[in-house]
Amino acid sequence: SQTIHQWPATLVQPVGSPLSLECTVEGTSNPNLYWYRQAAGRGLQLLFYSVGIGQISSEVPQNLSASRPQDRQFILSSKKLLLSDSGFYLCAWSVWGQGEKLFFGSGTQLSVL
Amino acid sequence: GESVGLHLPTLSVQEGDNSIINCAYSNSASDYFIWYKQESGKGPQFIIDIRSNMDKRQGQRVTVLLNKTVKHLSLQIAATQPGDSAVYFCAENTISSGDMRFGAGTRLTVKP
Repeated sequence: SQTIHQWPATLVQPVGSPLSLECTVEGTSNPNLYWYRQAAGRGLQLLFYSVGIGQISSEVPQNLSASRPQDRQFILSSKKLLLSDSGFYLCAWSVWGQGEKLFFGSGTQLSVL
Repeated sequence: GESVGLHLPTLSVQEGDNSIINCAYSNSASDYFIWYKQESGKGPQFIIDIRSNMDKRQGQRVTVLLNKTVKHLSLQIAATQPGDSAVYFCAENTISSGDMRFGAGTRLTVKP
């Protein structure tokens, strides 16, 4: 069966520090991968999605970047965090031809202080 | 569509009552719709989906209704239980596309 791992679960970082959040998927090949951000009490904002290794689409201009060095690995990064980067970050995966049903990780709560 | 700048609307129901959560979508080309449930501090979990060639689909205690004429989607939960308390998101996309768009979400609170 397929599983998605996302870590860390919580992270507290000072303003200006770098960021690296990692997500891996097991049990499937060539998944579509996604990073979403969710502010407290609000909806889901799509940040990045990837349909293959090295292929990244960005939805909004921002202080963040994403990379996909391996088929089932998706990384969210920043060189210098801003206060506004605080939020709940969710990784998700889907498979073409199955209605694009998304399966989410457990999320990372990032607090930038 | 995506409404990430809005605070969540809320719905409060009594345990045992039926709940109806509504969602309006904007893209008339969308052909696949999903409802997700998100409990506090967790990622969204799939509840039920429906394709645009259907107007109703039933699951266990849940029913999704799709009205393509007015671009409206609803989730009905029968005999709502305290464990149903969560934020519910609708999502839309086209099966051939690479991303899914979420609605603003509705917070459901079930009173015992």
